Amino acid sequence: LAKTTQPISMDSYEGQEVNITCSHNNIATNDYITWYQQFPSQGPRFIIQGYKTKVTNEVASLFIPADRKSSTLSLPRVSLSDTAVYYCLVGDGDWMDSSYKLIFGSGTRLLVRP
Amino acid sequence: GAGVSQSPSNKVTEKGKDVELRCDPISGHTALYWYRQSLGQGLEFLIYFQGNSAPDKSGLPSDRFSAERTGGSVSTLTIQRTQQEDSAVYLCASSSPVRPEQFFGPGTRLTVL
Repeated sequence: LAKTTQPISMDSYEGQEVNITCSHNNIATNDYITWYQQFPSQGPRFIIQGYKTKVTNEVASLFIPADRKSSTLSLPRVSLSDTAVYYCLVGDGDWMDSSYKLIFGSGTRLLVRP
Repeated sequence: GAGVSQSPSNKVTEKGKDVELRCDPISGHTALYWYRQSLGQGLEFLIYFQGNSAPDKSGLPSDRFSAERTGGSVSTLTIQRTQQEDSAVYLCASSSPVRPEQFFGPGTRLTVL
């Protein structure tokens, strides 16, 4: 199974850039890498997804090296409202198959301070 | 509706009782997922349905857990003879046929006394 490893927690200050790295040494060829954000008492919310190299959207960037054994979520200029748990998600197998298993990392608790 | 809905939002039951949790995915989403999240913990994958294919149930924690998806839409997660360790938030998510991005419901908070 493709297992992920993330830092348990990170602290930052408003306006700083935050980079959270996830390790996934056993990622499969057809796996996407997806990051989710979760606030207390809510379901996770999709942030960004990528397969290789770099992906950028309006809220974050995702950097994936050539070997795809890790990925880094980059949050530019964080604010207090970015305080949340961030999960790295890698699938195990072909997501179109019913045997597909999804592995969430342990999550990184990001605390943004004023 | 616009998003994934789950019911009930909260369920308190006594040890040994059976419970049913319901998930209504986003219309048109062919994939449906169930997860469990214990207090302060990450998400534990339970089961995944893709269209009308038979799901892989090997992620379910015990044979007291079962899940069905009728007509490729609504899904029900059933826990028989509930135990205190079953207390958790049960999250459902769905995704479209063309992207694996998942949209999560608000969850059902299950408390087994």
